Amino acid sequence: GAVVSQHPSRVICKSGTSVKIECRSLDFQATTMFWYRQFPKKSLMLMATSNEGSKATYEQGVEKDKFLINHASLTLSTLTVTSAHPEDSSFYICRGGRGSNTEAFFGQGTRLTVV
Amino acid sequence: AQKITQTQPGMFVQEKEAVTLDCTYDTSDQSYGLFWYKQPSSGEMIFLIYQGSYDEQNATEGRYSLNFQKARKSANLVISASQLGDSAMYFCAMIAQIIFGKGTRLHILP
Repeated sequence: GAVVSQHPSRVICKSGTSVKIECRSLDFQATTMFWYRQFPKKSLMLMATSNEGSKATYEQGVEKDKFLINHASLTLSTLTVTSAHPEDSSFYICRGGRGSNTEAFFGQGTRLTVV
Repeated sequence: AQKITQTQPGMFVQEKEAVTLDCTYDTSDQSYGLFWYKQPSSGEMIFLIYQGSYDEQNATEGRYSLNFQKARKSANLVISASQLGDSAMYFCAMIAQIIFGKGTRLHILP
């Protein structure tokens, strides 16, 4: 099956620093990448949708300057949490899609802890 | 093909005891994630815990821990010191493609 590799799986960083999360589609071209965040005991929340080569579309309430998304190639998308604060601590997960919106594959997720 | 198996349709546990909910999976994917969700009678799905296939340490979240045995392809949920509020339906799920097991109904006895 198609694989989306997400790294790092866990990261701990100091408050005020930036953290980059990478998602790579290993054996297919991810024309669309979805980025989700999961709050404790809640469902996955869609943060933004990006299409290769264009700017990401952010969901309401998500700060685009805070969560920088780059989808420069069909196999790589990155999410950078800038000037991280403890409230940014969460589980972030990407989902790469190819063509059809119903066919998409999740990365393994990244557990971010800001101290 | 991917498959999730939860063999315990229902369980009864005494309050304050620890309980293990079984989950086995089958996948040919090298990278995948495993989730446990709780569904109370109100119907919403509440995320409990996550384990990535590349994680070397078992995940823990408060009273919940995931006993991940990759070679056996099992991802059992352990609830320590069970409480009456833990009575619910529990689902094991796997991604890269979301596949849910049939669920386990947990009953906590006072």
